[in-house]
Amino acid sequence: DIQMTQSPSTLSASVGDRVTVTCRASQTISSSLAWYQQKPGKAPNLLIYKASSLESGVPSRFSGSGSGTEFTLTISSLQPDDFATYYCQQYNSSPFTFGQGTKLEIK
Amino acid sequence: EVQLVESGGGLVKPGGSLRLSCAASGFTFSSYTMNWVRQAPGKGLEWVSSISFSSSYIYYADSVKGRFTISRDNAKNSLYLQMNSLRAEDTAVYYCARCAYGDYVFDYWGHGTLVTVSS
Repeated sequence: DIQMTQSPSTLSASVGDRVTVTCRASQTISSSLAWYQQKPGKAPNLLIYKASSLESGVPSRFSGSGSGTEFTLTISSLQPDDFATYYCQQYNSSPFTFGQGTKLEIK
Repeated sequence: EVQLVESGGGLVKPGGSLRLSCAASGFTFSSYTMNWVRQAPGKGLEWVSSISFSSSYIYYADSVKGRFTISRDNAKNSLYLQMNSLRAEDTAVYYCARCAYGDYVFDYWGHGTLVTVSS
């Protein structure tokens, strides 16, 4: 199985900050990587697919990059609505594994 | 508007069974691969199972293989998860999710249904 490791597990930041979350795969997954945002008590929301493609309706301050085994999610200027937990997910092969999550907190 | 509505969750004793349902609307259900993803209380997301549009391809996580069965009824726009031999570690919110872009990316999710396995 492919293991997905996110860092950091928790990130404290302020409104307006630029933040980056990293996701590493235990083996190469090409660009088969998605990012989701989840708020407490809600279902996850797809942000990025194919490592860098922005899902329709997602603000352009979100961007993704990477390929192979290392990927990043960047939020260019944090907004109050962005404080949530973020998950990466590989879909190169079954089982389709998620990272453990990165909780983005208000500093 | 795409809608996925799960039902069937509840409290069940270890070793018991439960059947989850997901009612889909707002899209051509028979054209999409569908999935179940779960989240234990306070924990991360775990993919559980996938079923292709024609039920030809079915996948399971090792943690549920042999105990859970995914199925669908395209005439009823419904997805199911039959869960047998339930364990405490199966306690979670179970989400129904649709695949997007011809791949195992999940673009629409239901609100989830809580399954609690406890004596």
